[in-house]
Amino acid sequence: GIQVEQSPPDLILQEGANSTLRCNFSDSVNNLQWFHQNPWGQLINLFYIPSGTKQNGRLSATTVATERYSLLYISSSQTTDSGVYFCASTQTSGSRLTFGEGTQLTVNP
Amino acid sequence: DTEVTQTPKHLVMGMTNKKSLKCEQHMGHRAMYWYKQKAKKPPELMFVYSYEKLSINESVPSRFSPECPNSSLLNLHLHALQPEDSALYLCASSQVDFLPGGYEQYFGPGTRLTVT
Repeated sequence: GIQVEQSPPDLILQEGANSTLRCNFSDSVNNLQWFHQNPWGQLINLFYIPSGTKQNGRLSATTVATERYSLLYISSSQTTDSGVYFCASTQTSGSRLTFGEGTQLTVNP
Repeated sequence: DTEVTQTPKHLVMGMTNKKSLKCEQHMGHRAMYWYKQKAKKPPELMFVYSYEKLSINESVPSRFSPECPNSSLLNLHLHALQPEDSALYLCASSQVDFLPGGYEQYFGPGTRLTVT
């Protein structure tokens, strides 16, 4: 099956800083999602982005499908951005959503 | 509305108990999923239902029994669980489980299960 790798595994920021999270995947995909898991366990959909660039407020994401990676940008980080960010994808020949190991983000005031 | 609901939020059960987790969506989605998530790990797929039929069982022990009574509801029946089954159980849904152009999955808030 497809392999999904995320980096960095842990990230600590001061409030107001910018950051970039990376997701590499091993095969062609027809689905690429970014999630934020809050401290209560809720997985919040951030982006559905199998290709191209999208922006939503302080967050944006870019997926370069031909080079098999996706980036999540967080600008002007806030303490409420803390949590685990997961990237997940489905390869074009399958239906299983495969998750990366996640990036644990801590934003300090 | 992109909401998936799950009940209960928390569940504590003994190893001899029988309990059920419930999941509901009203987005008209025809695929529903159960995932298990242990602390500090990503969600792991357990079951997939497509058009109310079980399409994927990821070799889950028979003490977990899924049920899809209709297109909006998904249950997970639990019996004779072990302490290592303690985890966050997440339900998800998507338009269908396979499209050439892909699909987006939406997750519920989860049920935090503790087996004593």
